[in-house]
Amino acid sequence: AQSVTQLDSQVPVFEEAPVELRCNYSSSVSVYLFWYVQYPNQGLQLLLKYLSGSTLVKGINGFEAEFNKSQTSFPLRKPSVHISDTAEYFCAVSGLQGAQKLVFGQGTRLTINP
Amino acid sequence: DAGVIQSPRHEVTEMGQEVTLRCKPISGHNSLFWYRQTMMRGLELLIYFNNNVPIDDSGMPEDRFSAKMPNASFSTLKIQPSEPRDSAVYFCASREGLAGSDTQYFGPGTRLTVL
Repeated sequence: AQSVTQLDSQVPVFEEAPVELRCNYSSSVSVYLFWYVQYPNQGLQLLLKYLSGSTLVKGINGFEAEFNKSQTSFPLRKPSVHISDTAEYFCAVSGLQGAQKLVFGQGTRLTINP
Repeated sequence: DAGVIQSPRHEVTEMGQEVTLRCKPISGHNSLFWYRQTMMRGLELLIYFNNNVPIDDSGMPEDRFSAKMPNASFSTLKIQPSEPRDSAVYFCASREGLAGSDTQYFGPGTRLTVL
């Protein structure tokens, strides 16, 4: 079984500042990793995903994440945030074999202050 | 494509009433998921289907909850009888196949309030 821990429930950041949202996972097998974003009153949408290959994954809206197998982490980063990035961000993990479901973290609420 | 469609978007009901939430997945997607989101418990997977067959219903909270997928383009989540603690946002998501690498596409959600 897999699990995901998002260490920060809330992250306040000033506009144009860099941000990193932490994510650690636990699994006895290899995994796929995802970041989803939820804007207010909307469903979740995919930001990016790591399947294999290069550990640095680039996603939409200027976000990127880096898979670190030794630290079992998958932090999400953006070098300069905008007011429009205010949302809740979810890290998720899925196993590789068979019919797989996503296991989500508790989410991190990113608030951008002007 | 219109994406995943959920109805209603908002539902307010009284304790004890039956509630039915509906979902139309993206055409061609073979897997469908029902989630519940609350402040206290976050995002929980309730049940998921593949090719209209329930694969994992271990997240269904109790017998008051039931889900069906009579065909590839429609699913329902029913709560009978409803209780105030069922108040939450319920999301439906669909995915093209079984593989964990495939992206799940979420609907806009149904906000349920049980008084």
